[in-house]
Amino acid sequence: KAGVTQTPRYLIKTRGQQVTLSCSPISGHRSVSWYQQTPGQGLQFLFEYFSETQRNKGNFPGRFSGRQFSNSRSEMNVSTLELGDSALYLCASSLGVTGTSGSTDTQYFGPGTRLTVL
Amino acid sequence: GESVGLHLPTLSVQEGDNSIINCAYSNSASDYFIWYKQESGKGPQFIIDIRSNMDKRQGKRVTVLLNKTVKHLSLQIAATQPGDSAVYFCAETNAGGTSYGKLTFGQGTILTVHP
Repeated sequence: KAGVTQTPRYLIKTRGQQVTLSCSPISGHRSVSWYQQTPGQGLQFLFEYFSETQRNKGNFPGRFSGRQFSNSRSEMNVSTLELGDSALYLCASSLGVTGTSGSTDTQYFGPGTRLTVL
Repeated sequence: GESVGLHLPTLSVQEGDNSIINCAYSNSASDYFIWYKQESGKGPQFIIDIRSNMDKRQGKRVTVLLNKTVKHLSLQIAATQPGDSAVYFCAETNAGGTSYGKLTFGQGTILTVHP
């Protein structure tokens, strides 16, 4: 089974621009979560999408947004880029089961998109 | 301005030794814990997980121990190999009746295995 794929792998933008990153989850996975990884802050949760709806959200400004399509593929967008947005953006997919089902749900990560803002 | 990065703990071992990586988690309500391994240029790779109703779980060459009293998690790697060299992260989450889609990660530990 193919893993999580992310495109593009590398991206260079300038301040003020916007960027869209794409994530294709593992086949059968309906939940997609996004994380930002930086040397200063480590791995931080951005948001989770399930069935085309945002189900969880982290503490990031509104410049960071996302969406999910009916085939579970997800995109995240960052508008008005700042130098501090330079990071590795990771996408993870999982089945999306809820805690009430009594089972757990492991997230599997893609290779990430390395965004550099100049 | 100058950026200040996280100062990750480091663990250096010889090939064949056993390694123990520790993690203190923050949320006493967390009910699911996962260890990930991240190699340079790659995304985090799942190693092993444990639910809060367990205190120990074993996999192939790895064991995770959970101490809820002191909110401590550890990863033991037996017969460590050079290929185990990576950054190791613990992650916690609490479904809270919704989902396990939000992970909170520890700062990570750099493991270096010398041949």
